[in-house]
Amino acid sequence: LAKTTQPISMDSYEGQEVNITCSHNNIATNDYITWYQQFPSQGPRFIIQGYKTKVTNEVASLFIPADRKSSTLSLPRVSLSDTAVYYCLVGSPSGSARQLTFGSGTQLTVLP
Amino acid sequence: ETGVTQSPTHLIKTRGQQVTLRCSSQSGHNTVSWYQQALGQGPQFIFQYYREEENGRGNFPPRFSGLQFPNYSSELNVNALELDDSALYLCASSDGKLLYEQYFGPGTRLTVT
Repeated sequence: LAKTTQPISMDSYEGQEVNITCSHNNIATNDYITWYQQFPSQGPRFIIQGYKTKVTNEVASLFIPADRKSSTLSLPRVSLSDTAVYYCLVGSPSGSARQLTFGSGTQLTVLP
Repeated sequence: ETGVTQSPTHLIKTRGQQVTLRCSSQSGHNTVSWYQQALGQGPQFIFQYYREEENGRGNFPPRFSGLQFPNYSSELNVNALELDDSALYLCASSDGKLLYEQYFGPGTRLTVT
C-alpha cells in the first residue's frame, strides 16, 4: 500500500490560491491519486482523482509530476467555506478494498 | 437522485451492549463501505460489501459485522461495545467500478458510556 504524507495544517486568506501537497514515494504503476474534503461532523466528499499530469474540474485542480511521487491539490480563490480537512489517498481503482485508508489529512483554515 | 443516508444520527449506548447502524446507498450503487472515525483522526476502513458479499475487511475484530441487502442498503453491527468504540461511523457507497470514487453519508455519532 502506498503511504502518503501531507502537512498537518495550513492557513490561508480568502481569495488566495491554496496548494496542498501529498507525498507518495512508493506509488505503484496502477495507482491513482484521489482527494477528499471533509467538514466537521460530515462524511468526506470526493473532490478529484487523477493518474498523471493535470486534472481539473469545477472545484479544484490536481497536478501530478512525471515521476508521480507527489501530487498537489490546488484550490483557486478559497473562501471561508473551504475550511475543512483534505485527505490524499493513493491506490488502484480495481484493487482490494483494504486499500481504503485515510491518513490524518491536512486541516486547511481559511481566514478572513 | 437520492444521496447516502444513515440512521440514527446519534446514539448513546452502554459498554457491553450491542448496536446496529443502518445505511441506504445512493441510487444505482451496489457497493457499500463502512468506516470508523475517531475524533481528530481520518476514517478507518472497517469492511466493504459488494452485491451482498463481504469484499474486504480492515483491522477490526469479529464483533464488528455487517450485512448488505438485495436493495444494496446495509447494516453495521457491533457487539460487546467498548468505550473505544465511541466514534463517528460513516457509510459510503459507490458503483463498484472505481474503488476510490465513493459517496459518503453524514455518519452516525456513537457514544459508549
